[in-house]
Amino acid sequence: KAGVTQTPRYLIKTRGQQVTLSCSPISGHRSVSWYQQTPGQGLQFLFEYFSETQRNKGNFPGRFSGRQFSNSRSEMNVSTLELGDSALYLCASSFSSGETQYFGPGTRLLVL
Amino acid sequence: DAKTTQPTSMDCAEGRAANLPCNHSTISGNEYVYWYRQIHSQGPQYIIHGLKNNETNEMASLIITEDRKSSTLILPHATLRDTAVYYCIVRVVWDKIIFGKGTRLHILP
Repeated sequence: KAGVTQTPRYLIKTRGQQVTLSCSPISGHRSVSWYQQTPGQGLQFLFEYFSETQRNKGNFPGRFSGRQFSNSRSEMNVSTLELGDSALYLCASSFSSGETQYFGPGTRLLVL
Repeated sequence: DAKTTQPTSMDCAEGRAANLPCNHSTISGNEYVYWYRQIHSQGPQYIIHGLKNNETNEMASLIITEDRKSSTLILPHATLRDTAVYYCIVRVVWDKIIFGKGTRLHILP
């Protein structure tokens, strides 16, 4: 089975712009979670989607949003980018909410 | 906050067993112990998980103490490719994953 795929792998944006990241889960997986990883804060949970519904949300401002499509693919959007949003954004999928999560390679975002 | 305590770093000689400890003294009865590892700049890789019994798979063994307040991940024959940050996580099935800082494992040739 193919693993979790994330696109793009690398991205450079400037402050104030917005960005959309994409995640394709493992075939058959219906739950997708998003994480942000920075050197200072480590790995932090952003949100989880299952069957197109947000099930869980971390402590991030409203500039961070996501959605899930009927084919379980997910996107996350960050609006009005700030320098501190520079991070590795990781997506993880699981068969169902609460099952073991498998991570993708991440999207590295640099905000200038 | 993470509910686990792990050493910041550990060394292990190549070919030897790497034993990574994790304290989770406040674990509740319905929380599982999960282990992931992250090799530099890659996504975390699932290793193993358990509730109260010891578990073994092709990658590692997980030993959970009888009181469930601590556990040990064992990599039986460490190789240079096992150099990574290892995260011990306790988690109720329906809840989000909270990562701590993990243990940076160095495999020495």
